[in-house]
Amino acid sequence: AQSVSQHNHHVILSEAASLELGCNYSYGGTVNLFWYVQYPGQHLQLLLKYFSGDPLVKGIKGFEAEFIKSKFSFNLRKPSVQWSDTAEYFCAVIFYGGATNKLIFGTGTLLAVQP
Amino acid sequence: GAGVSQTPSNKVTEKGKYVELRCDPISGHTALYWYRQSLGQGPEFLIYFQGTGAADDSGLPNDRFFAVRPEGSVSTLKIQRTERGDSAVYLCASSLMGSDIQYFGAGTRLSVL
Repeated sequence: AQSVSQHNHHVILSEAASLELGCNYSYGGTVNLFWYVQYPGQHLQLLLKYFSGDPLVKGIKGFEAEFIKSKFSFNLRKPSVQWSDTAEYFCAVIFYGGATNKLIFGTGTLLAVQP
Repeated sequence: GAGVSQTPSNKVTEKGKYVELRCDPISGHTALYWYRQSLGQGPEFLIYFQGTGAADDSGLPNDRFFAVRPEGSVSTLKIQRTERGDSAVYLCASSLMGSDIQYFGAGTRLSVL
C-alpha cells in the first residue's frame, strides 16, 4: 500500500540549532514530493516541492529538502531554526499510476523552537 | 478569491444529525479535493472533483458521506447520521488543471457530541 512515514512526531530545538526531519515513502514508481507547513492557527501552506531535476530543492524561509531515490526519502532541513519556525510539518507524496493526483500525507512532525 | 474558503470554520452537532460543509475554491481552479484530518494524523484523502464530476471518491469512508460540485466551483460535503467518529477537521484544497500544487483552506472543525 502507498504510505508516507515521518519518523519524528515531536521535535524541540533551541533557536539557531539545525533541523532535519525525516520522510520516507513506500512504492518505487514515479512520485512528486512535497513538504507542507501549518503554523499555529493557520492553514496548510506549501513549503517546497520536488517534481524532477536537481534532487536538492530549496523552499521558502531557508528550508531545503533532498530527494534520495534509492532510499525513498525526502528529508527536510534547515541550518538554523528560528522561533517563528514553530509549526507542524507534513511530508506528502503523489504516487503516479492511480486514478487521481491525491496527496498521501505523513502523520506530521510538531516542531517547537525555544527562544 | 484570494484563497480557498471553507465554511463554517467550526460546526458542533449531535450524533445522528445531518451536516453540510462548504468549500469555495480559488477562482479558475478546476480540481477540488476534500481531505479529513483526525487528531494526531495527517490529512487523508476523501474525494476529488475535476469540474463538476467526482473523478475519484475512493476515500469516502462509507455511504453516509457524499459530496457535490454542481456548477464546477463551490463544493459541499454532506454527512448523514453523523457519528462521534466523524469528528475531525475537514480540509478542502484546489488546484489548476494539470497542476500538482494544491492550495488548502483553513478547514472546518466538526465536533459530533
